[in-house]
Amino acid sequence: AQSVTQLDSQVPVFEEAPVELRCNYSSSVSVYLFWYVQYPNQGLQLLLKYLSGSTLVESINGFEAEFNKSQTSFHLRKPSVHISDTAEYFCAVSIDYKLSFGAGTTVTVRA
Amino acid sequence: EAEVAQSPRYKITEKSQAVAFWCDPISGHATLYWYRQILGQGPELLVQFQDESVVDDSQLPKDRFSAERLKGVDSTLKIQPAELGDSAMYLCASSLELGQNYEQYFGPGTRLTVT
Repeated sequence: AQSVTQLDSQVPVFEEAPVELRCNYSSSVSVYLFWYVQYPNQGLQLLLKYLSGSTLVESINGFEAEFNKSQTSFHLRKPSVHISDTAEYFCAVSIDYKLSFGAGTTVTVRA
Repeated sequence: EAEVAQSPRYKITEKSQAVAFWCDPISGHATLYWYRQILGQGPELLVQFQDESVVDDSQLPKDRFSAERLKGVDSTLKIQPAELGDSAMYLCASSLELGQNYEQYFGPGTRLTVT
C-alpha cells in the first residue's frame, strides 16, 4: 500500500519570504514523486517531478524539491515567494501508473 | 495551448437523481482519467482508460457510478442515483500514453452539489 502525507494543511507566508511544504510518503517499492499546483478555479498543473537521477529537481518558476529516500520525503521549497504563488499544492506518488495524492497544502502569500 | 475540457463546471442535483459529466481530453491523448476530489482532500482516482478500454476501475463504486469512452476520445461519467456523499469536485485528466514519463493534464473540474 502507498500513502502520501502532507504535514501542513495551511501555510501563510509573506511576500519574498521562503516557504517549505512538507511531504512524506510510505511505500514498500520504488516510487515516482510529483508536486502539482492548483490555482483558484483552475485544474491541477504539474509543478515538478522526480523519476530517477538527481534527487534535487527544479521547476521553471523557482520551486525545487528534494527526494530523500532514507526519510521518505519529498519536500517542496521556494526561497522567495510572490503573491502569484497563492494556490493549493498537492504532493503525489505514482506506482503502477496510478497517482495517489496527499490532502493538499494551501499557501497564502501576503504583501 | 490545448486543454482538457469539462462540462458542466457546476451541477446541483437532488438526492436520487441521475447526473452526468463530460470530458474532452487533449487531442491525441490515449489515456484518460476520472478523479474525485472531496473538499479538504486530494484527488482520488476513480477510473482510468487506455483508448476505449478500462485499465483500472477498482475505486469506482460500480453500484451507482459508470464511465464510458466509446470511441476512445471523449468520456462520460454518470452517477445514478446520486447520494449526498457524492458532493465533490470531479476532475478529468489525460496523458499522451500510459506511463510515469507522460504528464497528466487536468481539466478545470465539475463541482457537484447533491441536496
